[in-house]
Amino acid sequence: DADVTQTPRNRITKTGKRIMLECSQTKGHDRMYWYRQDPGLGLRLIYYSFDVKDINKGEISDGYSVSRQAQAKFSLSLESAIPNQTALYFCATRKGQGSGELFFGEGSRLTVL
Amino acid sequence: DAKTTQPPSMDCAEGRAANLPCNHSTISGNEYVYWYRQIHSQGPQYIIHGLKNNETNEMASLIITEDRKSSTLILPHATLRDTAVYYCIVSPKAGGSYIPTFGRGTSLIVHP
Repeated sequence: DADVTQTPRNRITKTGKRIMLECSQTKGHDRMYWYRQDPGLGLRLIYYSFDVKDINKGEISDGYSVSRQAQAKFSLSLESAIPNQTALYFCATRKGQGSGELFFGEGSRLTVL
Repeated sequence: DAKTTQPPSMDCAEGRAANLPCNHSTISGNEYVYWYRQIHSQGPQYIIHGLKNNETNEMASLIITEDRKSSTLILPHATLRDTAVYYCIVSPKAGGSYIPTFGRGTSLIVHP
């Protein structure tokens, strides 16, 4: 099983709908991140969390919200989806100590019609 | 903005070494150089990291210049499966409030 699991992997929805993307990890890491990727572009940070009680906005947080339900779970919500939120979304985790590499999920492809 | 600069694209013949450069002229003394790669639209995968010494693992080698302002990721015998986007980022090893930031990376195409 993957260390960082994202659900759903693919989702098509309509403008105005509420969407939740979920991320769970088995690595025991305290730090979790949500990134967005658009074609030909790098990864842009939406939100990040250093522990359960810590939530921070990233570079492009407008139109998104997050919830850190437990150390292992970090969910991203689009309260009212719009077409320009069509993108590939990645969750990542990182240990707060040690070598510091990021571990990514396989991504959630969201299409907003 | 990302603190690294990479060429947008490179190509390499299968079986030859792929040398991917990265410029990080503003790197701080406590920042490491990390490399990741993203195959097609999969989640990025960690490759290697280093501080100032050259590093090698089963995937690649990392050469960091003495002044630490640039580095090169070397895939010694590139295969078609190495076709991917390669990202170079700088980061403290762990802890603190640092946020990993990615640029557009280098799209490496390995051709037969």
